[in-house]
Amino acid sequence: GAVVSQHPSRVICKSGTSVKIECRSLDFQATTMFWYRQFPKQSLMLMATSNEGSKATYEQGVEKDKFLINHASLTLSTLTVTSAHPEDSSFYICSASVDYTFGSGTRLTVV
Amino acid sequence: SQKIEQNSEALNIQEGKTATLTCNYTNYSPAYLQWYRQDPGRGPVFLLLIRENEKEKRKERLKVTFDTTLKQSLFHITASQPADSATYLCALDSSFQKLVFGTGTRLLVSP
Repeated sequence: GAVVSQHPSRVICKSGTSVKIECRSLDFQATTMFWYRQFPKQSLMLMATSNEGSKATYEQGVEKDKFLINHASLTLSTLTVTSAHPEDSSFYICSASVDYTFGSGTRLTVV
Repeated sequence: SQKIEQNSEALNIQEGKTATLTCNYTNYSPAYLQWYRQDPGRGPVFLLLIRENEKEKRKERLKVTFDTTLKQSLFHITASQPADSATYLCALDSSFQKLVFGTGTRLLVSP
């Protein structure tokens, strides 16, 4: 089946720095990818929809200047958390629109 | 307001028994509903999808029902095993390919 590879699995960064998370579709092309975040013991919340070759669509309340999404190719979407703060610490997960496939997630800790 | 509720935060059962998890929703009219398994620190793994015109779906030891009148889905794991211990999430489509997730039920199967 379809596989989505997400890196890194864990990252710790200092407050004020930026962090990039990559999501790659293996063996298939994903014109659309979705980015979610999940706080402890809470459900996944959709942050944005990433479309290859066009601007991402952000959900209400998600700051597009803080969470930069780039989908420059059919196999790669990236999420950059800019000027990260401790409240951005969360579990970020991507998914492809093919076969309801999710990445393994990235645990971001901002110190 | 729109809600998806999985009305057991945690469920403990003995190995060999049938686990039954519930997903209720309000103010949605989904075309389909999905169930996922999520292990700690990992992304969700797709298990089953059931469409609005389907009453029941099975896959090996898993069975899902979907009652659009009651706005409820039941997820059953028969002959449960300790390896089935995980958090199970229901999700439904709110619009094209966008999923809204429930908060999950943590299942613990004891030997």
